[in-house]
Amino acid sequence: GAVVSQHPSWVICKSGTSVKIECRSLDFQATTMFWYRQFPKQSLMLMATSNEGSKATYEQGVEKDKFLINHASLTLSTLTVTSAHPEDSSFYICSATKGDEQYFGPGTRLTVT
Amino acid sequence: GQQLNQSPQSMFIQEGEDVSMNCTSSSIFNTWLWYKQDPGEGPVLLIALYKAGELTSNGRLTAQFGITRKDSFLNISASIPSDVGIYFCAGRKTSGSRLTFGEGTQLTVNP
Repeated sequence: GAVVSQHPSWVICKSGTSVKIECRSLDFQATTMFWYRQFPKQSLMLMATSNEGSKATYEQGVEKDKFLINHASLTLSTLTVTSAHPEDSSFYICSATKGDEQYFGPGTRLTVT
Repeated sequence: GQQLNQSPQSMFIQEGEDVSMNCTSSSIFNTWLWYKQDPGEGPVLLIALYKAGELTSNGRLTAQFGITRKDSFLNISASIPSDVGIYFCAGRKTSGSRLTFGEGTQLTVNP
């Protein structure tokens, strides 16, 4: 199989606080994981590529100091949204690479009040 | 970033009808993928295509990799209510590289 989990599935936080989202590959090891953001009725937009043991590669326009990514093991990558603001409210989805394919997590709904 | 042109944006059909959607790009992709996303969930891989001209089926779903490598289509036959969701195409240029997604096709199936 190729199961990817995310935790939490939803989170509400206050403006100015930080939130950490975990992405785990449950039955396989993934040297590469990807983080996406999806706004309502829109497609997935790649935020960054996370490689185990090295720094993440961020897409243009994504602030690396605001969206901290850590890929400390072959089964876990974390995304920390620092000093969150209401405009950061979105659906965050990770994916993990197994072979040639990407398998997606169930997503995390972040609401910043 | 770049996105694929996916059409139609939405479809409203009756149960039992066939459905067709497609994606086009101005550049070449070496892999085409089709995903389905249910509300509040992550995308689930339906079909992966690796060769130009390849035609692949997965149950009632059939997808083809265009011979120019710049397009792909997905057909769903004999639609059922659980086919409701958003269908995304995605292209990849090289193995392990990032995916580029289409804008999605929202499918509604009326019983």
